Amino acid sequence: GEDVEQSLFLSVREGDSSVINCTYTDSSSTYLYWYKQEPGAGLQLLTYIFSNMDMKQDQRLTVLLNKKDKHLSLRIADTQTGDSAIYFCAELGSSASKIIFGSGTRLSIRP
Amino acid sequence: DAGVTQSPTHLIKTRGQQVTLRCSPISGHKSVSWYQQVLGQGPQFIFQYYEKEERGRGNFPDRFSARQFPNYSSELNVNALLLGDSALYLCASSFQGREDEQYFGPGTRLTVT
Repeated sequence: GEDVEQSLFLSVREGDSSVINCTYTDSSSTYLYWYKQEPGAGLQLLTYIFSNMDMKQDQRLTVLLNKKDKHLSLRIADTQTGDSAIYFCAELGSSASKIIFGSGTRLSIRP
Repeated sequence: DAGVTQSPTHLIKTRGQQVTLRCSPISGHKSVSWYQQVLGQGPQFIFQYYEKEERGRGNFPDRFSARQFPNYSSELNVNALLLGDSALYLCASSFQGREDEQYFGPGTRLTVT
């Protein structure tokens, strides 16, 4: 089946790096995503990685993909208060018409 | 260019009623998908429509239906509302054959009392 799992909460100190982890079950997934959702808002696509890549870096964001272990991570360098949000890991389903989301990780920043 | 737009922003309905939610895709996008996000969970896929035909359906009851119009806008209908239908309903659009790149609207928050 298709399932995406991630931890529910993460708290980091401002200025530190945040690492949000995710596991997925569908080994045929071609695209894996990280979305950000702020309170009361819709979904913002932060970044995505194609399944034949191991790593993708985009400014403060680094995505690491371990296909063998079906593990995806998002690292946010120099975490700021504006990074407080819920982060969703997601995969493009095998039918290629739907995106399958995890339950989200709530990132909180402490001073 | 405008992004995906959805209306209304908020809606309150009573159990047993029917509701219609609307979505306008990004200009040039012909594929529209609907997702339901219950509080505290990730979005769940409901439907995908392309060229006015249903191309994919998630695990939702027949009370949920949708359609796509010639201008590629879409409506999601939910009949016989239940309390559990309270959620944020998200619409996403994409280019033909590019469902890997879906752009989400701000959502319609439906509250069923």
